[in-house]
Amino acid sequence: DQQVKQNSPSLSVQEGRISILNCDYTNSMFDYFLWYKKYPAEGPTFLISISSIKDKNEDGRFTVFLNKSAKHLSLHIVPSQPGDSAVYFCAASDNNDMRFGAGTRLTVKP
Amino acid sequence: KAGVTQTPRYLIKTRGQQVTLSCSPISGHRSVSWYQQTPGQGLQFLFEYFSETQRNKGNFPGRFSGRQFSNSRSEMNVSTLELGDSALYLCASSLNLRNTEAFFGQGTRLTVV
Repeated sequence: DQQVKQNSPSLSVQEGRISILNCDYTNSMFDYFLWYKKYPAEGPTFLISISSIKDKNEDGRFTVFLNKSAKHLSLHIVPSQPGDSAVYFCAASDNNDMRFGAGTRLTVKP
Repeated sequence: KAGVTQTPRYLIKTRGQQVTLSCSPISGHRSVSWYQQTPGQGLQFLFEYFSETQRNKGNFPGRFSGRQFSNSRSEMNVSTLELGDSALYLCASSLNLRNTEAFFGQGTRLTVV
């Protein structure tokens, strides 16, 4: 059961522009959301998170937005840099476990 | 502080064999979760251990099992391997049970031939 969905398997943007990665979830019990970044041959690394009591969390170039009514979250990267090229996984958590999306491969072109 | 260590990094097995993967969490972390990553399927949750007890289990057949030791190290076992078990197996450790901000190892790449 795909409780967390990332419908875009890939995204390509120009360096300096904004990257927007989207994620949808179905379980209304999820109350904590995270984004992980994964480079080839490495495990995912934590990037940014947001609790369901907030609708926005910002950390430098990375901002996560949460729309609880739409069960949708997004990650904005501004400005995008070539080093941001990686696979991005969104994850949603409740008191029991964490579910991941299938990932979106971001390519930032110089 | 050492990160999450998974061994081995790469493994090739034949169908029908069994395999054991190991994960050493970050010192002080008591929760260890296992995930399977295959192309297009993202990270599929296998199970989570906390204080030597399995607390959660994903939708995988009984051929997939695991355990956690008193030092929080965890092992995952897959019996009667199938070609479809070829994947990257990732282990994540965290302080608490909810796996908020879990730290991942580099994974074990299992190939079944």
